[in-house]
Amino acid sequence: DGGITQSPKYLFRKEGQNVTLSCEQNLNHDAMYWYRQDPGQGLRLIYYSQIVNDFQKGDIAEGYSVSREKKESFPLTVTSAQKNPTAFYLCASSIGGQHQETQYFGPGTRLLVL
Amino acid sequence: GENVEQHPSTLSVQEGDSAVIKCTYSDSASNYFPWYKQELGKRPQLIIDIRSNVGEKKDQRIAVTLNKTAKHFSLHITETQPEDSAVYFCASGNTPLVFGKGTRLSVIA
Repeated sequence: DGGITQSPKYLFRKEGQNVTLSCEQNLNHDAMYWYRQDPGQGLRLIYYSQIVNDFQKGDIAEGYSVSREKKESFPLTVTSAQKNPTAFYLCASSIGGQHQETQYFGPGTRLLVL
Repeated sequence: GENVEQHPSTLSVQEGDSAVIKCTYSDSASNYFPWYKQELGKRPQLIIDIRSNVGEKKDQRIAVTLNKTAKHFSLHITETQPEDSAVYFCASGNTPLVFGKGTRLSVIA
């Protein structure tokens, strides 16, 4: 999991502002994921990508957008349409392919609303 | 789609006792069942996983059992220590994984 980095560690968002969370991996993994974690809650899937230039919505995609222009990078944008964005955001990656493999998580970004 | 239920949501044990966390899943096609440990403010880290072609796997004080017929799998931690205190998540499915809501384990010294 040391091969996945997220930045920044903390991010502050003002009302009506879009912010972008960075996720980079050097594990040569095809699949990447974004999860949202609220206090005392589990991991809820926002978006995932199994290959470059392709991604799918997860359970809570509304108010978020992603891109996958490079294999190593999967940035998440929290748009102004997301009315309650305060949470801990975790990026993960896995080898990908037909069968599920271990997902490795980044250190997370904590997003706070001013 | 897959649905994963995890119990209990909180668990307190005395140091040295055993802890058991159970998960059930709904998709009979699921073939991979990992367990993650998350310490406060940190990332989830894989502690053990099992695939559908085996019924049990052990790694020192940690073991996982799988019952494919009943669609449930369990995490067993023996001789618990204070550093085992954390939130534990089970997961199941193909791509993507579906996570349980977590179990907060407290080991009391």
